Amino acid sequence: QVQLVQSGAEVKKPGASVKVSCKVSGYTLTELSMHWVRQAPGKGLEWMGGFDPEDGETIYAQKFQGRVTMTEDTSTDTAYMELSSLRSEDTAVYYCATSSSGYYHAWGQGTLVTVSS
Amino acid sequence: QSVLTQPPSVSGAPGQRVTISCTGSSSNIGAGYDVHWYQQLPGTAPKLLIYGNSNRPSGVPDRFSGSKSGTSASLAITGLQAEDEADYYCQSYDSSLSGLFGGGTKLTVL
Repeated sequence: QVQLVQSGAEVKKPGASVKVSCKVSGYTLTELSMHWVRQAPGKGLEWMGGFDPEDGETIYAQKFQGRVTMTEDTSTDTAYMELSSLRSEDTAVYYCATSSSGYYHAWGQGTLVTVSS
Repeated sequence: QSVLTQPPSVSGAPGQRVTISCTGSSSNIGAGYDVHWYQQLPGTAPKLLIYGNSNRPSGVPDRFSGSKSGTSASLAITGLQAEDEADYYCQSYDSSLSGLFGGGTKLTVL
């Protein structure tokens, strides 16, 4: 049973960057395809990007291209999502989720990122 | 505006049957990509409810079922219970392998 535990809430100023972590247990990160999804307050789910095991590349949603970087540390089985040039519209709960055959079978608990001056 | 369209809300009385639609296009659902469904209770992370159009993970009651036809998919919930009150999201992919979510549907149990 895979478990994902994310880092705690963050408060950032506009223009800053945030890096959210997602620690994997029950599996090794190399066995998984990690994706990131966010949810603004009162809004729906929004896919940000994730690892495509078919070609070994990370795919980013066009909306976030150039601002988001998803990385992995296989020595600690921890995935990271860094979002830069933050603006108020980036205030959201950020989730990591593992993908299997295109669906997300395990989710982290979510990390609230608040962008405010 | 989500690429996958869901009704913002549906409602039903306990014991009734409700359905939630998810309408896409020829570049996503209609291109043959599977549809998956998630249930999100207030203040919690989404939970996988249906995968591969119509398959239930272990532990999901058989009151929940999914189907897909053409460019659309549906989630049906029979024998509605108070604990089913939640937000429901459909999910698929498009030809660029970008993940897609529907806008979500709030289910109210009357």
